[in-house]
Amino acid sequence: GENVEQHPSTLSVQEGDSAVIKCTYSDSASNYFPWYKQELGKRPQLIIDIRSNVGEKKDQRIAVTLNKTAKHFSLHITETQPEDSAVYFCAATYSGGGADGLTFGKGTHLIIQP
Amino acid sequence: EAGVTQFPSHSVIEKGQTVTLRCDPISGHDNLYWYRRVMGKEIKFLLHFVKESKQDESGMPNNRFLAERTGGTYSTLKVQPAELEDSGVYFCASSHNRYGLFFGSGTQLSVL
Repeated sequence: GENVEQHPSTLSVQEGDSAVIKCTYSDSASNYFPWYKQELGKRPQLIIDIRSNVGEKKDQRIAVTLNKTAKHFSLHITETQPEDSAVYFCAATYSGGGADGLTFGKGTHLIIQP
Repeated sequence: EAGVTQFPSHSVIEKGQTVTLRCDPISGHDNLYWYRRVMGKEIKFLLHFVKESKQDESGMPNNRFLAERTGGTYSTLKVQPAELEDSGVYFCASSHNRYGLFFGSGTQLSVL
């Protein structure tokens, strides 16, 4: 089955700086890679996703890159703000087959220092 | 549009007791998933329904866990009998297609 590794487990950055969270996956058949943000006491929410037919996707201050050859993908947050503080989860799955439950990474606690 | 709702939000039970968690997906979402997060660890897939059918239940830990989705609407996850290691947050999620999961707020289960 799929295995997703996520680093770092905790990331502290100064407000206004950039943050990068990295994930690797093991199953080369995986073709869908979403990122979820979970604020304290709230539900995980999808913030951005990428499919294996593209290498990069941007949405305002958030971008995700995918390297299929190396089987890793990363979340980039620029000009970080206090409201970016949360736990971020990467995930991977093969979507289109019979078994498409997401495999999640262990999460990264992002702390934005004022 | 109402989101995914889960009941109860918290449950504290003793080892050996039974607990039933409920999930109401977003109306019209055929895909319903159950996930679990044990403290400090990753969110783990439990199972996937497409309408009332179990598409994939490979993540269910053992036969103490039983999930149902009668009529293809809401789903229940029963743990019987509960063990200490079953403690964690149980998330339900639904989607219209296989992308873009919408999560519920989760049920915090504590087994004492």
